[in-house]
Amino acid sequence: ETGVTQTPRHLVMGMTNKKSLKCEQHLGHNAMYWYKQSAKKPLELMFVYSLEERVENNSVPSRFSPECPNSSHLFLHLHTLQPEDSALYLCASSGEENTEAFFGQGTRLTVV
Amino acid sequence: SQQGEEDPQALSIQEGENATMNCSYKTSINNLQWYRQNSGRGLVHLILIRSNEREKHSGRLRVTLDTSKKSSSLLITASRAADTASYFCASRNYGGSQGNLIFGKGTKLSVKP
Repeated sequence: ETGVTQTPRHLVMGMTNKKSLKCEQHLGHNAMYWYKQSAKKPLELMFVYSLEERVENNSVPSRFSPECPNSSHLFLHLHTLQPEDSALYLCASSGEENTEAFFGQGTRLTVV
Repeated sequence: SQQGEEDPQALSIQEGENATMNCSYKTSINNLQWYRQNSGRGLVHLILIRSNEREKHSGRLRVTLDTSKKSSSLLITASRAADTASYFCASRNYGGSQGNLIFGKGTKLSVKP
């Protein structure tokens, strides 16, 4: 266990559904990240929050909407996804500036 | 831009042999990190080397960093079947309060008993 918990572990959703991924950390970290991992592609950094403020958005489509209500929780709200959005979505957190990241186990998302 | 390109993409060795994986990156970094991922699971941090360091050890792991060539290598000595996993390098860039952590495509290591 890394101290970062993601739920659900698996999610199957239709293209018209709305769902949310949840990430929780109680490591006292002040930065949280969402990554997308597709087959045969590098991990793609989607969003970065530092001290609950979004500091990075790597041109992610608006059908992905992040929310960081406090330093311990991070959500990724999903709506009208496409089949190519099927992937492993990983949440991570880090503490002091420029230190290592701690990852959750990921949510395996399948869009049908 | 893509950072942290690892090579080889796949590596198969026998137990007891050493495994070397290489990584290249493109921009100035604050540090470079190596991670391990078992199939379909989250990444686990292995080792971090700062831009002013050239070599670092942790158990059976040895990491080198050459900032002039923008490259790093991860050596796993006396490999075990349990080392079978994908290994990723990630560069921590300058900029922002946390900086970006950008990953490469990874090297898939298979250690045969």
